[in-house]
Amino acid sequence: QSALTQPASVSGSPGQSITISCTGTSSDVGSYNLVSWYQQHPGKAPKLMIYEGSKRPSGVSNRFSGSKSGNTASLTISGLQAEDEADYYCCSYAGSSPVFGGGTKLTVL
Amino acid sequence: QVQLVQSGAEVKKPGASVKVSCKASGYTFTSYYMHWVRQAPGQGLEWMGIINPSGGSTSYAQKLQGRVTMTRDTSTSTVYMELSSLRSEDTAVYYCARENDHWFDPWGQGTLVTVSS
Repeated sequence: QSALTQPASVSGSPGQSITISCTGTSSDVGSYNLVSWYQQHPGKAPKLMIYEGSKRPSGVSNRFSGSKSGNTASLTISGLQAEDEADYYCCSYAGSSPVFGGGTKLTVL
Repeated sequence: QVQLVQSGAEVKKPGASVKVSCKASGYTFTSYYMHWVRQAPGQGLEWMGIINPSGGSTSYAQKLQGRVTMTRDTSTSTVYMELSSLRSEDTAVYYCARENDHWFDPWGQGTLVTVSS
């Protein structure tokens, strides 16, 4: 399967909101409500931020939210903070196998 | 708490094999599938495959078929990923990640495998 498409980079100032898109096809993102999002700081393992499209695990700030429209899923971070600067990856399922997006580097200006 | 602890960094020569371990704790080992995901330097995440710790069944990414083998030891709650015929493109950080109904949490700390002559 091809990787899901994410913008290479996004940026925003502290306090602002940003949205990261994740575009797939009707065979993956569009077929299932199984998109998850992961945050990865340099040198660290990925951390789950959103699962099943819009659900937040315990302990994840409510500044993080997820949504989906058609074949595109989105991660929105509101009230940007310096510690949000990281790489973000989306993941969906295509049949029985997961497929990741190429990743988006978020810069907090 | 739920934790996945991986083995340490490895340096291998081209053509060799590497075996990375991932020891689980804090939950019933056989109740959750385990995945392996790798990340080449400066690159994104690549799914490698899945193992069912209960029965040992596996499924691998087509790209790695024939070179990757995932096994488990229920007595020690450990899963293993072995990659053979290593080449420079296999240089990456390798992660294990527990699946919870199509999402991954937690992840191991990662194991750097360097392939160099």
